[in-house]
Amino acid sequence: DVKVTQSSRYLVKRTGEKVFLECVQDMDHENMFWYRQDPGLGLRLIYFSYDVKMKEKGDIPEGYSVSREKKERFSLILESASTNQTSMYLCASSPNWRSPLHFGNGTRLTVT
Amino acid sequence: DAKTTQPPSMDCAEGRAANLPCNHSTISGNEYVYWYRQIHSQGPQYIIHGLKNNETNEMASLIITEDRKSSTLILPHATLRDTAVYYCIVRVAGGSQGNLIFGKGTKLSVKP
Repeated sequence: DVKVTQSSRYLVKRTGEKVFLECVQDMDHENMFWYRQDPGLGLRLIYFSYDVKMKEKGDIPEGYSVSREKKERFSLILESASTNQTSMYLCASSPNWRSPLHFGNGTRLTVT
Repeated sequence: DAKTTQPPSMDCAEGRAANLPCNHSTISGNEYVYWYRQIHSQGPQYIIHGLKNNETNEMASLIITEDRKSSTLILPHATLRDTAVYYCIVRVAGGSQGNLIFGKGTKLSVKP
């Protein structure tokens, strides 16, 4: 089975802190994605990557950046956390564009 | 991507078949229908996908109408563990964008 592992299940950070959310997949997938999920808004795509060092903006990239130095790891960075970034963050991967996405279990981030 | 319409909630008795409908009247010829589900506090889980033929796997069956404007996900013998939010998504497979547009889904409650 594909395993997508997010480093933290719960995280509490202060406003203005730099926050790193880590995601690792163990199936050599080409594509990796970061979504956030908020009540009433569903899942929204923040960034995705289709290769090492390659990244594309999703629907809501403002306030975020990403890093993909190795194929198996995709990091989401909040340069200066704000309270409106309190959310559930979901990482996903897929081997190619035809295949379905495999999701991690999410990181619930609270910014106070 | 085309949008989908699903009922907000459904109930199903344990052991009975759960039939979850989805309308996607503006689907394009090269768009696939994907189904995911999300159990509380977990990431979305892929269930099944199809283009125009009916599909079956170990989890479910997918019935797509001939005009492709709607589909039905069938869980043949629902269990309490199938209680979740079910998302129907249409997406171009093979394109360069990974954006899955998740709507609000159907909250399925399986009752003993």
